[in-house]
Amino acid sequence: ELKVEQNPLFLSMQEGKNYTIYCNYSTTSDRLYWYRQDPGKSLESLFVLLSNGAVKQEGRLMASLDTKARLSTLHITAAVHDLSATYFCAVARRNRGSTLGRLYFGRGTQLTVWP
Amino acid sequence: NAGVTQTPKFRVLKTGQSMTLLCAQDMNHEYMYWYRQDPGMGLRLIHYSVGEGTTAKGEVPDGYNVSRLKKQNFLLGLESAAPSQTSVYFCASSYGVSGGSYNEQFFGPGTRLTVL
Repeated sequence: ELKVEQNPLFLSMQEGKNYTIYCNYSTTSDRLYWYRQDPGKSLESLFVLLSNGAVKQEGRLMASLDTKARLSTLHITAAVHDLSATYFCAVARRNRGSTLGRLYFGRGTQLTVWP
Repeated sequence: NAGVTQTPKFRVLKTGQSMTLLCAQDMNHEYMYWYRQDPGMGLRLIHYSVGEGTTAKGEVPDGYNVSRLKKQNFLLGLESAAPSQTSVYFCASSYGVSGGSYNEQFFGPGTRLTVL
C-alpha cells in the first residue's frame, strides 16, 4: 500500500515570508498532483507533475517532483492571506494487474497566512 | 459545463436509516470515484467505477454500495447508516485512457453527512 506523508500538517506564516511544504511517498510513482481546498469547499487542482524533475509555477506557488527521492515540494514565495487553505498532495499509482490508477492522498497541510 | 455535481449538499440521518448520494458529471468521463474526508485526514477511496455498469471497491468500502447505470451518474448508497459514517463525501471523475486512470480527477462540491 502506498503511503503519502505531508509535512508540516499545520503551517502558520506571516505575509511576505517563504516556506516549503513536503510530500514524501513510499513506492514508485511518476505522477503527482497538488490540490487546494478552502474551508467547506471542494478540491481544486493546482499542479500536475508528470515526470522526474518536473517543475510547475503559478503565481506565488511552485511545485517540483523528484521521483528518485520520492519527494515533491510545494514552495510558497512571499505569502499572502489569499493563500490560506489546506493543500493536499496526491500520488498516482496503477493497481497491479489493473488499468486503473488510484490517487493516494496525504493528510493535507493547513496553511494560515497572517498579516 | 456544470462539471461534477452532487446531491444533496447536506443530510442528517438517524442510525439505521438509508440514503443515496447522487453524483453527476457532464464531461463524458469514463472513471468516477467516491471518497470520504474526515477531519485531519486526506481523502480515502470508498468505491470507484471504470465505466458504465462496472464498479469496484476502494480502501474503505464497508457499509457502502454503489451503482453506475449511466455513464454520467454514480450513486453511493448507505443501507443502514452508522455514526462512523459521519463524514464529507466527495465524488470525482476523470478520463479513462489507455494505461489507466492516471489523468487528473475533478471533484464535486461534496456532501456533508451527519449520522446521529
